[in-house]
Amino acid sequence: DTEVTQTPKHLVMGMTNKKSLKCEQHMGHRAMYWYKQKAKKPPELMFVYSYEKLSINESVPSRFSPECPNSSLLNLHLHALQPEDSALYLCASSHLGQVLHNSPLHFGNGTRLTVT
Amino acid sequence: AQRVTQPEKLLSVFKGAPVELKCNYSYSGSPELFWYVQYSRQRLQLLLRHISRESIKGFTADLNKGETSFHLKKPFAQEEDSAMYYCASHRHGSSNTGKLIFGQGTTLQVKP
Repeated sequence: DTEVTQTPKHLVMGMTNKKSLKCEQHMGHRAMYWYKQKAKKPPELMFVYSYEKLSINESVPSRFSPECPNSSLLNLHLHALQPEDSALYLCASSHLGQVLHNSPLHFGNGTRLTVT
Repeated sequence: AQRVTQPEKLLSVFKGAPVELKCNYSYSGSPELFWYVQYSRQRLQLLLRHISRESIKGFTADLNKGETSFHLKKPFAQEEDSAMYYCASHRHGSSNTGKLIFGQGTTLQVKP
């Protein structure tokens, strides 16, 4: 299995809802990532997990809460989001980098989130 | 700060014409550079990386440290090359994970 799988594909939620995005990979990658992508813009890094521990948080608001329950799964819990949080949320995974070279990222298809 | 710049939002060429998508980086250390491609309704995927020095789908990219550039080239564009192309830089860090930073992207449109 050489894919990163994200569910759901689409999600519409109100500003008072609590929902979760899920990501799964079975490539043995020990680094997993959440990116946010607005229309016609590049992906923006949100979080990086390394060996199931949060290693990078790009000053993301606390209404986004990541979780990495095991080496294959990555979740993003959403609560009290704002309409401007509507975007495509991409999950990615990679092998952990070597001393000199970093492994390329494998991306999922994303979850298109609409906050109403 | 680490930055990746793609000066062109849109590049439109005719089939069979040469293509060059520009990418410049600013980073004081040794950068790792990638080109990612996103075809219509498909996931973002790696096209090539500078350490591999390989040609993928006829595309090549050479790291020019003097000009701090990593331009993507193809001698003869095909219609199926139409897509969004992102140049990205992965910063070395003391840990073995780093940040993959994307340029703004260039849409390549290959006309028949």
